[in-house]
Order: sequence, then structure tokens, then C-alpha cells
Amino acid sequence: KNEVEQSPQNLTAQEGEFITINCSYSVGISALHWLQQHPGGGIVSLFMLSSGKKKHGRLIATINIQEKHSSLHITASHPRDSAVYICAVSTDSNYQLIWGAGTKLIIKP
Amino acid sequence: DADVTQTPRNRITKTGKRIMLECSQTKGHDRMYWYRQDPGLGLQLIYYSFDVKDINKGEISDGYSVSRQAQAKFSLSLESAIPNQTALYFCATSGGGETQPQHFGDGTRLSIL
Repeated sequence: KNEVEQSPQNLTAQEGEFITINCSYSVGISALHWLQQHPGGGIVSLFMLSSGKKKHGRLIATINIQEKHSSLHITASHPRDSAVYICAVSTDSNYQLIWGAGTKLIIKP
Repeated sequence: DADVTQTPRNRITKTGKRIMLECSQTKGHDRMYWYRQDPGLGLQLIYYSFDVKDINKGEISDGYSVSRQAQAKFSLSLESAIPNQTALYFCATSGGGETQPQHFGDGTRLSIL
């Protein structure tokens, strides 16, 4: 079983829909990261959080440390949000990030 | 100009050739990383370096070597390329501490024929 699991693997939605992508992890973490990989390949860090909730524009990330679960939400989704969204965790005992496999999101106009 | 620059962006080469991928950064970060990404899989760490004198193997270092020529430069070499090293390669940097975000280059698409 992977230490970081994302769901769903693929998600297709219509423009304007509210999107939720989930990330569950099985290790103790110091922080959880959400990243976006554009269709051209570039990777951008969206959020890094260790508790609570963060918001940036139409993106919201939440984390529940007790349940070892995080969600990434996109409000009023737009075709330009189409990308792969990746969850990764950093742990106290390991300098390496542990990566999820990503969620491929397609927003149709 | 990009903060993390990878060259080349694309490379096609033959089995057995020696390949070098270069990464330079203007962020002033001490930590640098090389990852490989295969279709449908998460990023896999090849090597990482926390400063110029510190080089560490990641989870898939076999067949690869690295050189940290300066704080700003971290190169990845494939000594004798093989087809299953065909992948998308990313360089990343981060500031000190495990809770700092990583900043990625645009990637190098490498094809080994």
C-alpha cells in the first residue's frame, strides 16, 4: 500500500463545478504539499500546510491531522484548471518528500 | 527569467550514450533535487544535495550520477543510457528545512532509442 494515496485518479467535470481532490497518508508528517502539473509538464507548488486550511483565489486546501487526510477544492472551475494535481508529504524522519501518483483533472467548457 | 532552469528541454539519444542534464537556480537555495517522472506514476527521487559538499542517493539512483558544481548548479548524468531511462526529468530546489516548498524547473523530456 502506498504511503500517500490520492483519489480520484482521473476526474472530468463541467466548467463551473466545485471540484474536490482527496489525499490520504499513512505516515506522520511535518507538512503536506499540493502541487499542480500543467499539461506542458511544468510543476508549481500551490500550498504547503500542516494544519487547518489555506485559500488562494479559487483554490482551498484543508488538512485533518487526526484523520491523516487532506482535500484540495476548486471553486467555479475553469478549463484552465485542467492539470494533474499532486499531493506530497514531508516527514520528520525523512528528508525526502513522499509523492502521490497525482489526480488528472479535465474541465470541459 | 526562470528561477530554476533546466537544459536541454528535450533530448533524443541512442542507447549507450552518455547524457548530461543541467540545472541552475537563482533562488539562492542550498537544497537541490533530481526527480524522474514516468507516465501515470508519481515523482521518484534520483539524487539530492543539501549543499555543495553533500550528495545523497534517492530511491532510484542506479544508472545515474550527479555533480554539484556550485550552490547554483546541479547536474545529472546518465553514464550509459538505456531505453528504460526514457522519462521526464525534473530539477527542484528548496530552502532549508523539511517544510519548505520545492521549486521546479520546467523539466527535460529524454528519449533513449
